[in-house]
Amino acid sequence: QVQLQESGPGLVKPSETLSLTCTVSGGSISSYYWSWIRQPPGKGLEWIGYIYYSGSTNYNPSLKSRVTISVDTSKTQFSLKLSSVTTADTAVYYCAREERQYYYDGRGFMFDLWGRGTLVTVSS
Amino acid sequence: SSELTQDPAVSVALGQTVRITCQGDSLRGYYASWYQQKPGQAPVLVIYGKNNRPSGIPDRFSGSSSGNTASLTITGAQAEDEADYYCNSREVFGGGTKLTVL
Repeated sequence: QVQLQESGPGLVKPSETLSLTCTVSGGSISSYYWSWIRQPPGKGLEWIGYIYYSGSTNYNPSLKSRVTISVDTSKTQFSLKLSSVTTADTAVYYCAREERQYYYDGRGFMFDLWGRGTLVTVSS
Repeated sequence: SSELTQDPAVSVALGQTVRITCQGDSLRGYYASWYQQKPGQAPVLVIYGKNNRPSGIPDRFSGSSSGNTASLTITGAQAEDEADYYCNSREVFGGGTKLTVL
């Protein structure tokens, strides 16, 4: 079955760039939206942004100026870069697959697969 | 507003029915999805679309929606249902509801 796995440094210094990669195994990266979602310790979930397999992106307006998400379909990987990090960016970072459904009376979006998450701490 | 509002905490007696609600303009024209998260674990999708459950989710979980409000209902809550529950619509998450099973 399809599985997602985050990888990258667990410690980043303030003002530097956080970089994470999500590897998709057991399935194709095509025809889906791929998102990054984070959760600060003891707090709720925050969507960071997504990339479609074709390369189009959409970012959370609150993070847009600092976020870049890219995809490498040949490696079935997508990546997150978050620049100029501060301690407020300390969180568990999840990658997730987003599926969309369209009904006659509305739409439904869902994150149906998640990675296990990776804790990134911003500290000097 | 793009925010989704959830009650921070809800409790239910073992075996009873509980409803968790989610309210916000992001829900107009969109069906919510609901996620269960237990401590130290990644969120798990429990309800999506028009009251659909992924494989492996018990049928005591159900969803409904009307206008700008979506609801997750657990009929006959079990001890293992104690968790945080998050709604989502259009990539916006609610603040989460901590469910306690008494």
